[in-house]
Amino acid sequence: TQLLEQSPQFLSIQEGENLTVYCNSSSVFSSLQWYRQEPGEGPVLLVTVVTGGEVKKLKRLTFQFGDARKDSSLHITAAQPGDTGLYLCAAYTGGFKTIFGAGTRLFVKA
Amino acid sequence: NAGVTQTPKFQVLKTGQSMTLQCAQDMNHEYMSWYRQDPGMGLRLIHYSVGAGITDQGEVPNGYNVSRSTTEDFPLRLLSAAPSQTSVYFCATARAPKAGAENIQYFGAGTRLSVL
Repeated sequence: TQLLEQSPQFLSIQEGENLTVYCNSSSVFSSLQWYRQEPGEGPVLLVTVVTGGEVKKLKRLTFQFGDARKDSSLHITAAQPGDTGLYLCAAYTGGFKTIFGAGTRLFVKA
Repeated sequence: NAGVTQTPKFQVLKTGQSMTLQCAQDMNHEYMSWYRQDPGMGLRLIHYSVGAGITDQGEVPNGYNVSRSTTEDFPLRLLSAAPSQTSVYFCATARAPKAGAENIQYFGAGTRLSVL
């Protein structure tokens, strides 16, 4: 069974702090995605990484795909209250199916 | 442009009752799917469809039925609700569910279901 394990499960920080969340697996994936989910809403795609070692930046968010394509990280610089939400990693496993990690719930205090 | 619309937003059922969760999309996507989201377990795939008339099971299909008579609609039916089906249900669509940058899923806002 292919699994995506995310850590930490919960993170509460002050505005302006930096943070990194992780998505790990024992399986190799051809690509990996990060979604953000706000309370009462469905997940929204932030980024897809497709090449081992790839780094993508989205304003203050930096996403990295591990060299072996088994893991990924999301780094947020100078977090803001608007970054509060549930961050989910996801991977396509074939057969029209995508698996999701359990998520990291981030709370940024003003 | 509504995207993916789920109804109802909230529902409370008694054990044994049946109901249908509605999902409608106006994005002309062939692929539609249903997930349930439970604390600490992420999103788990219930059923999916790659086009009208075609459905298949996901990871947790037991207790749920689906049908796909049109491209736009993909209802999820609970035949006899159980407390274990208390969850938040999300419908999602995609143009091309496959590996890589084209695998973008668009989610509805969810249906929060409680089974007493």
